[in-house]
Amino acid sequence: AQTVTQSQPEMSVQEAETVTLSCTYDTSESDYYLFWYKQPPSRQMILVIRQEAYKQQNATENRFSVNFQKAAKSFSLKISDSQLGDAAMYFCAYRSDPRGGNKLTFGTGTQLKVEL
Amino acid sequence: DAGITQSPRHKVTETGTPVTLRCHQTENHRYMYWYRQDPGHGLRLIHYSYGVKDTDKGEVSDGYSVSRSKTEDFLLTLESATSSQTSVYFCAISEAAGVFGELFFGEGSRLTVL
Repeated sequence: AQTVTQSQPEMSVQEAETVTLSCTYDTSESDYYLFWYKQPPSRQMILVIRQEAYKQQNATENRFSVNFQKAAKSFSLKISDSQLGDAAMYFCAYRSDPRGGNKLTFGTGTQLKVEL
Repeated sequence: DAGITQSPRHKVTETGTPVTLRCHQTENHRYMYWYRQDPGHGLRLIHYSYGVKDTDKGEVSDGYSVSRSKTEDFLLTLESATSSQTSVYFCAISEAAGVFGELFFGEGSRLTVL
């Protein structure tokens, strides 16, 4: 079974600065997808960014980008120009072969605090 | 926003009582899921469905059952609630063959078992 590890329970960043959240995963598959979800205090789960394992190019969505290292099984999230609205719990997730039901396996989350 | 409605949003019950949570979608997506969220554990899959009357277990399925009699509805039942089932429960949906297969989540249901 796949596992997803987020080793940073909490992180802090100053407003306008850059922060990187770490995620590693364990899998024997060669084709898969990776996601970062954001959960603000409202509890809503919001997709931030996604990455296909077969693509070498790192995904980017505005201020959010990933550093995908397939060989190292690492998938970190970089948030540039941090804003107060970025404060949330961030979850890394792995999606295995779609024939397995499109199931996502989540990490335990990183609580991001943004300070003035 | 994906059309996903969970009910009830909040519930307090006593140990030993049955509880049913309902997830209703208006997107006609094939896959539906129930996750629970607990501090230190992230989200863990309880059960999922890949079609009407087609369901399978997730990693934390003990003490839970599900049913899906219509595409739009996915029910999660706790036959006899225990305090360890106090949690926030999320329903999610996914398209059948989406390129990414991303999940869209409901707003969550907070269950407290006393």
